[in-house]
This record gives sequence, structure tokens and C-alpha cells, in this order.
Amino acid sequence: TQLLEQSPQFLSIQEGENLTVYCNSSSVFSSLQWYRQEPGEGPVLLVTVVTGGEVKKLKRLTFQFGDARKDSSLHITAAQPGDTGLYLCAGGRSGNTPLVFGKGTRLSVIA
Amino acid sequence: NAGVTQTPKFRILKIGQSMTLQCAQDMNHNYMYWYRQDPGMGLKLIYYSVGAGITDKGEVPNGYNVSRSTTEDFPLRLELAAPSQTSVYFCASSYSRLVVTDTQYFGPGTRLTVL
Repeated sequence: TQLLEQSPQFLSIQEGENLTVYCNSSSVFSSLQWYRQEPGEGPVLLVTVVTGGEVKKLKRLTFQFGDARKDSSLHITAAQPGDTGLYLCAGGRSGNTPLVFGKGTRLSVIA
Repeated sequence: NAGVTQTPKFRILKIGQSMTLQCAQDMNHNYMYWYRQDPGMGLKLIYYSVGAGITDKGEVPNGYNVSRSTTEDFPLRLELAAPSQTSVYFCASSYSRLVVTDTQYFGPGTRLTVL
């Protein structure tokens, strides 16, 4: 059973387009993190959201945590080839339990 | 700081062979993790450690063993390699999981093929 479902699985768009990717769960999480992984490298943290309804912006990237803390979205404005990569969401639960990762959305931005 | 380092970068094993994947971090992090990443499957947790001498199983521990004798090192042992263990292995560390917002820092990965 996959606790975190990410959609779409693959996305190929032209430079300058906008896009949104989703991370959904039936479980409540204490926090939700988004990581980006480039080919041949390990994931790198982009953002952490902890409050239901929270919105964080990182340049052209906007992250939102759902009101019920069961889902999150990542919106990219005017995508650039440098945004290409695998976007992973990870849910944090209370205590010492490890993060739960989704399968990721593989984004390709074509110049 | 070098962050999280992993060796080797690539390895090809024959079925039944054994090997140890090395992982080290120089950030004085308490928590360390081993993940495997199969194509289209995201990251699956193999084992994790909350400190020297303490390890615990993750989602997919079968076929692997770990030890944590120091804060810095967290090696992953494959005793009898099987084709199902062909994957990319990532080691990660974090200061503390008591803080749910803590960042995990990942190494560059080891690409393992079992033939």
C-alpha cells in the first residue's frame, strides 16, 4: 500500500509553461517535504510545510499543504529546462518514525 | 564538509556474492538511513539508525544487514546477492527525527547490478 500517491507520474512540457504536480494521501501527516532529484544524484530538499493550508514560495515554485494535512501540491510558473528532474514528496509523522516517500513525478522541460 | 559520501559509485555482482556498501557523514548527525530506488518506484527504506549501536528495520530489510558502530559510518551489507537487489542505493542522514521538519541529506548513490 502506497501511503503517498503522486500524480502525474510523468510530465513533459515546453519551456515557459506552467504546471502543477500533486501528492495525495488518506493519512494525516505532521509535515510534508518536497525533494528534487537530478539524474545521477541524490534527492535535495526544496521545502517543508507543517501547517494545514500553508503556502510557501521558492522563486517560481509554489508549495501548498492541504487544510487537512493529507495532501500537497507543487506549482511551477514558467518552467525552465533547469527544473527538469524527479520531484518527490515525503510525509513526516510524529515521533521517531521515518519519512514516507511517494514514487515521484518525473518532469521534463523542453527548451 | 563533505556531507554524505558513498562508495562505490557502481558495482556489478554475481548471484550469491557478498558486498558492503559504505556510507559516511561528517555532519555529526544522529539519524542515518539506507534507501533503495528502483525505476518508477520512488524510495523504499531498508534500514535506519537513530544513533551508534541502534538500528531498526524499514520497509524492505530482507537480504540486507547493517551496523552502526560510530556516529559517522553506516555500512549496508548484502550477504547473498540476488537479481532482485539490482537497484540504486542511497544513504541519508539527518540531525534528529524528533523534529518532524528535519532535513534528510542524501549521498550520491551506489548503482548495483546483480547478474
